[in-house]
Amino acid sequence: EPEVTQTPSHQVTQMGQEVILRCVPISNHLYFYWYRQILGQKVEFLVSFYNNEISEKSEIFDDQFSVERPDGSNFTLKIRSTKLEDSAMYFCASSEGLNTEAFFGQGTRLTVV
Amino acid sequence: RKEVEQDPGPFNVPEGATVAFNCTYSNSASQSFFWYRQDCRKEPKLLMSVYSSGNEDGRFTAQLNRASQYISLLIRDSKLSDSATYLCVVTSNTGNQFYFGTGTSLTVIP
Repeated sequence: EPEVTQTPSHQVTQMGQEVILRCVPISNHLYFYWYRQILGQKVEFLVSFYNNEISEKSEIFDDQFSVERPDGSNFTLKIRSTKLEDSAMYFCASSEGLNTEAFFGQGTRLTVV
Repeated sequence: RKEVEQDPGPFNVPEGATVAFNCTYSNSASQSFFWYRQDCRKEPKLLMSVYSSGNEDGRFTAQLNRASQYISLLIRDSKLSDSATYLCVVTSNTGNQFYFGTGTSLTVIP
């Protein structure tokens, strides 16, 4: 069964460092997303991406964040200068189209120290 | 105002019980609705989509009431493996974003 894969599963970084979280969406999906979940809180939308550009982003997704689809398979989230409050589980997801089911990767646990 | 509201629970039920979860959403323009389940520190996994006509998948039944902006999930004959957090998810009016509820915690007790 096709699945979304994310690497790494866990990343520890020092405050102020840049991190890149990687995702391989399901191959025939056209819409890609990043969500995050701070421990004990709800899943929060960061950004959606379609046709090589951002289609929607939340207020969390400020200038410190960027996304890229560098090739035909990978979808990355970069956090330029990490803060302690960026510590969370980051989930990548993909869907075939708008308003269709999204399938989530297993997540990257980011810990900023 | 929260886009999606759920009773956080926890719901503790014995094996074999029937349990119902409810959810309300604020955006009348939302077009798609889902229930996901999330195990501790894992990713959300799609349980089922929700349609106005209602849909059933084995022991699970989901229902949507667009007029009341209300979504429900019924689990019959609860199993120990049903213990998880159940997330009510609604799409934005653009369809580009999923709004998640805070989740309802279910523990099925032997």
